[in-house]
Parts: sequence; structure tokens; C-alpha cells
Amino acid sequence: EVQLVESGGGLVQPGGSLRLSCAASGFSFSSYWMSWVRQAPGEGLEWVANIKQDESEKYYVDSVKGRFTISRDNAKNSLYLQMHSLRAEDTAVYYCARERPIHGDLINWGRGTLVTVSS
Amino acid sequence: QSVLTQPPSVSGAPGQRVTISCTGSSSNIGAGYDVHWYQQLPGTAPKLLIYFNTNRPSGVPDRFSGSKSGTSASLAITGLQAEDEADYYCQSYDSNLSAYVFGTGTKVTVL
Repeated sequence: EVQLVESGGGLVQPGGSLRLSCAASGFSFSSYWMSWVRQAPGEGLEWVANIKQDESEKYYVDSVKGRFTISRDNAKNSLYLQMHSLRAEDTAVYYCARERPIHGDLINWGRGTLVTVSS
Repeated sequence: QSVLTQPPSVSGAPGQRVTISCTGSSSNIGAGYDVHWYQQLPGTAPKLLIYFNTNRPSGVPDRFSGSKSGTSASLAITGLQAEDEADYYCQSYDSNLSAYVFGTGTKVTVL
């Protein structure tokens, strides 16, 4: 069974940093692109970033470019999102998701971890 | 602001058919990129409902169907059931943004 378990969320002050993790199991993690998607309270879904299997390609939504960094450790079956210069508008539940090759649909999702940016 | 527009809400009585539109542009759906649909039940993570425009993952009832034409796509739910009350999102890729994009989301209410 595919499992994606996010962790690392919490309360952080504006301008602060946080590192999210996603532990993957039940599939060959190193064979898939992976994504982060977020959802602000009461709002819709927003794709944040994704990363190729060997980390050679990484893409970000404009609003987080230069502040967030996506990375992975295939030996640990783990995905990460390092977030710096956090703003109130980054407050959201952050989901990690496995991508289907080529077509980009998000086959499996974790339960998410809540990030709250507030003073 | 999303580049894929959905109606905020749709509703129907049990057993009825409802459709949800997803309107894009020439840089996403109109450019030939696939459209996928997700169902998000209250308090849970999204779940893939339709992929590659028309395909259902195993376990998804055939009451759910997808279509795509031009710069738009649609999700249809036939034989609406109480358990279908949820938020639904379309997703595609946008070449101008070089990013995946989600629709604005539609809340389905079963009357």
C-alpha cells in the first residue's frame, strides 16, 4: 500500500524558516517525480513545487521561487521542502504527492501537515 | 488566482446528474495538456478521481466521467449520491506559467 506521511509543520513567525518532510513507502520512490501542493484554510489547492527522480529538474510556483527549495533523498525514500522568509500567505496545509510519469496527475497524496505563519 | 475556472458550487437531488466545468485557455487545456480531476471529502486529502481527461482509477465508480473539448473540460456525476458531497478540482499544466495549475474548485451539494 502506498503511503505518504508529511511532518514538520507548525507555528512559525513571519520571516522564519521551516523544513517539511514526506516519508514515502509502498512504491519505488526513486522512480517517480514528486510534488508539494498546499491549501490555505478554506481555500483551493495550489501546486507549489516538484522534483525529478534524480533531482536534475525542479520547478516552483512563482510565489515561492527564491524562498522554497524542494529536495529528496532516494536512499531514505523521503521528500523535503525547505521554506525560508515565510509570510502569512504561506499558511496552509502542505501535501506531498506522487506524480504519474509524463502526464502529471497526482496519483497518491499524504494527509498533509499544517504550517501557520503568524506572530 | 487560478487560470482554470470552475463554478463555485453545483447541487442536485439524489439520483440526478450534475456536471462541473473547468474552463482554461490556449496555454493549458487548449494546448492539449491533460486534465485531471480530484475529489476532496470534508477534512481529508484530495483523491485522484479522473486522469488523462477520461480515465478512472480502479475503485472509482463509473458514475464519474470526464470529458475535454477545446479549452474546457467537464466532470459529470450521474446517479448522485449523498457520499458525493465534496469539493472537486480540475488540474492541468500551463505552458505560460511552466507550472501545474488547479481549478478554483467546485462544492457539490446533494439536496
